[in-house]
Amino acid sequence: QVQLVESGGGLVKPGGSLRLSCAASGFTFSDYYISWIRQAPGKGLEWVSYISGRSSVIYYADSVKGRFTISRDNAKNSLYLQMNSLRAEDTAIYYCATLPDYYFDYWGQGTLVTVSS
Amino acid sequence: QSALTQPASVSGSPGQSITISCTGTSSDVGSYNLVSWYQQLPGEAPKLMIYEVSKRPSGVSNRFSGSKSGNTASLTISGLQAEDEADYYCCSYADSRAYVFGTGTKVTVL
Repeated sequence: QVQLVESGGGLVKPGGSLRLSCAASGFTFSDYYISWIRQAPGKGLEWVSYISGRSSVIYYADSVKGRFTISRDNAKNSLYLQMNSLRAEDTAIYYCATLPDYYFDYWGQGTLVTVSS
Repeated sequence: QSALTQPASVSGSPGQSITISCTGTSSDVGSYNLVSWYQQLPGEAPKLMIYEVSKRPSGVSNRFSGSKSGNTASLTISGLQAEDEADYYCCSYADSRAYVFGTGTKVTVL
């Protein structure tokens, strides 16, 4: 069955960096677009970024453009999110999700990122 | 990329039908039949309930249905059950190849 497991979250100071990972199994990873979506504590969902199967198509939300970088390693069935210049407003649970065709069908359980001094 | 507008809360009694609206603009909901809906139970990851405005994934109850008119999409839950109590989010594909989520609606079963 499809499984997505995020890791790498934690406490980081404003201006700091963090790298999130998403390990995938149960499907042909390289065939799928994958996305990062976040949810601030007690708030709604916010799309962050997505990447195509061969990494040729990448898009970011305006709120993270220039600070976050999405990437993937198909040999390792893994998705990454490098987050730099972190701000308090980046505090959220970060989910990875498959994006087969303009909707997000399988989601991981998320990893919490807290940006605080 | 402003969030789509949803009512903060909707409630209904068991067996009733409720409808959640999701209002966007001509840059997102109005231009694309690519609206999806997600159910999020407390402490859990979101779950896909509807995609492409009105299609149901395998395993989702036919009590859930979706529609769209102009810049507004809607999710209807018929025969409301206690297990439907959750937060619901709409999402639309948008111009500039982005995605925008709704503000979220808390459904309460009275």
